[in-house]
Amino acid sequence: GNSVTQMEGPVTLSEEAFLTINCTYTATGYPSLFWYVQYPGEGLQLLLKATKADDKGSNKGFEATYRKETTSFHLEKGSVQVSDSAVYFCALRTGGYNKLIFGAGTRLAVHP
Amino acid sequence: GAVVSQHPSWVICKSGTSVKIECRSLDFQATTMFWYRQFPKQSLMLMATSNEGSKATYEQGVEKDKFLINHASLTLSTLTVTSAHPEDSSFYICSAGRSGTGSYEQYFGPGTRLTVT
Repeated sequence: GNSVTQMEGPVTLSEEAFLTINCTYTATGYPSLFWYVQYPGEGLQLLLKATKADDKGSNKGFEATYRKETTSFHLEKGSVQVSDSAVYFCALRTGGYNKLIFGAGTRLAVHP
Repeated sequence: GAVVSQHPSWVICKSGTSVKIECRSLDFQATTMFWYRQFPKQSLMLMATSNEGSKATYEQGVEKDKFLINHASLTLSTLTVTSAHPEDSSFYICSAGRSGTGSYEQYFGPGTRLTVT
C-alpha cells in the first residue's frame, strides 16, 4: 500500500543552521508529494508541493525535490529561524484520489 | 482566501454523551471535506471523506455509527462523536477540498481537541 516515512524528531537546531528533514514514500503510480507545516495551536498549512518527478517545490526558503529514483522528497532550508519551529508533515496523494497519506511528522525546534 | 474554521476549538464532555464538531469553509465552496484524527505526537489518520449531499465514505476500522458525519451544504460538515468514551479523546482536524485551475488542494481547519472524562 501507499505510505510515507519521515525521520523521527525532534530536530533541534540553532538559528541560521541548515535543515534537512528526510521523507521517503511508497506508492503505486505517480503520486503528488507535499510538505505541510503545523505551528503550535494551529491547523496544517501547505508549505510546498511537487507533482511529478524532478519537480522542485519551494516556499519561504524551504525546498524539496521529487526524486523518483530514490522515492524521496527531503525538505531543506539553508538557514532556519526561530519562527520555523513547528511540526512538519510529508504527505502523498495518488492520482485519481484526493486522499492524503501523511508521514508521522517531525518536530523542529530552533533556538536563538 | 481558502479559510477553514472549526468549532469548538476544544471541548470536554462526560463519558456516554455525544459531541458535535463543525467544520466550515469560510470563503469557498467545498464539495468534499475530510475528517482526520491526530493522536499526540503522531500523524493524521484519515477517518472519512464526506461529499455534499451524500453519505460519507469511512476508512477501514472507523466505526460509522460512532462517528456520524453530515455534509449538508457546500460550506459545512459536522462530525458527531456518539456515546463518547475516554479512548475517543483526541485532536480532530477537518479539511476542505478546493479545485483550482489544474489543481486540487485541501485546506485544513485549526482542529478540535476533545477530552472525554
